[in-house]
Amino acid sequence: EAQVTQNPRYLITVTGKKLTVTCSQNMNHEYMSWYRQDPGLGLRQIYYSMNVEVTDKGDVPEGYKVSRKEKRNFPLILESPSPNQTSLYFCASSLEGHEQYFGPGTRLTVT
Amino acid sequence: GENVEQHPSTLSVQEGDSAVIKCTYSDSASNYFPWYKQELGKGPQLIIDIRSNVGEKKDQRIAVTLNKTAKHFSLHITETQPEDSAVYFCAASMGTGGYQKVTFGTGTKLQVIP
Repeated sequence: EAQVTQNPRYLITVTGKKLTVTCSQNMNHEYMSWYRQDPGLGLRQIYYSMNVEVTDKGDVPEGYKVSRKEKRNFPLILESPSPNQTSLYFCASSLEGHEQYFGPGTRLTVT
Repeated sequence: GENVEQHPSTLSVQEGDSAVIKCTYSDSASNYFPWYKQELGKGPQLIIDIRSNVGEKKDQRIAVTLNKTAKHFSLHITETQPEDSAVYFCAASMGTGGYQKVTFGTGTKLQVIP
């Protein structure tokens, strides 16, 4: 089954404790992206990747890091999480940069 | 950068009626306009999209219209059903070839009343 998977689905952590949210797709898509979703703000793009080792900032990249060492994986790294990063995070992938397939989401709470 | 405004934020309709959601965008370079449906507890899913060289596109009960001059596009759902209840997002993106930077609207929560 074609899908985008994210882990973990739920995470509660404390300020400053480094964490990684994994994202993997099995569709051989070139493009992958991370978004955060906050009430009243819609989906905001954090980072995107056009191919292995090619990444670029979206609209809200501060406090986040990404890497794309393999085509199928695009982890999101929070080196020092803060409470304002409490949000619902989505990973997405796309074959040609248009239609995006979203993962199920990761709900992160930073206390 | 691109700015996408979406209205209304909530919409209630009777089953069988039509629903219309409107979006405006700011950057005339945007050339791809998708609509996503997000059901409770799930990720958004593409339901229809339109490119800047097309004025209207239909897929069964769903249609999207684009007015490039006015920089607005709309989602039309006819004969609404309870399973249409969800949050709908519009988006605008720009770029040719490589990956397109995407800006989403703030979402419309649609409730279809049986």
